[in-house]
Amino acid sequence: SQQGEEDPQALSIQEGENATMNCSYKTSINNLQWYRQNSGRGLVHLILIRSNEREKHSGRLRVTLDTSKKSSSLLITASRAADTASYFCATAGAGSYQLTFGKGTKLSVIP
Amino acid sequence: GAVVSQHPSRVICKSGTSVKIECRSLDFQATTMFWYRQFPKQSLMLMATSNEGSKATYEQGVEKDKFLINHASLTLSTLTVTSAHPEDSSFYICSARRNGGSTDTQYFGPGTRLTVL
Repeated sequence: SQQGEEDPQALSIQEGENATMNCSYKTSINNLQWYRQNSGRGLVHLILIRSNEREKHSGRLRVTLDTSKKSSSLLITASRAADTASYFCATAGAGSYQLTFGKGTKLSVIP
Repeated sequence: GAVVSQHPSRVICKSGTSVKIECRSLDFQATTMFWYRQFPKQSLMLMATSNEGSKATYEQGVEKDKFLINHASLTLSTLTVTSAHPEDSSFYICSARRNGGSTDTQYFGPGTRLTVL
């Protein structure tokens, strides 16, 4: 069953602004991952954060994880038109490598 | 490295026919691969876990006789949609776990769009 729930479902911002997407989940996890999907294409892995980590950075991406609230956020700073895509969080439970995906946030960056 | 390909990228077929989709790990070996289905504007739903040399494990609600999975080598898994119907039209995506790599990482293929008329 789907576990992750992202919000907002859709987000539209101007180029140069920051975009924040949130993900909540229901059960214990081993790690949480964020993926990007351009329309009609496959998934691109962005970043993985483990359950014992609270924050992780990769370029313009910043991910936080709050296991007490069972939530994560993805921040994209200084957004670009090329960041326009759908963003999904996915969780892996303890002892499992199967991923459960959230519903995704559709991000539109307006030039 | 760690490239996964899918073939075909798009397929249109008539209702009642069977369609085979291939998922290949191009530069690594993968004992375990996964098949997902994604309906328009929705998320990915795991259909089954494909294990080389053994039977696939299907998620609840996925008919194993309709979605045949064969993982005959360490670089190839196939998904056959048998007797396809319009409701099977969807975007099918595979992923692969790299043998010897991090167990946390899956590498995704570009997807196959199936349209059943």
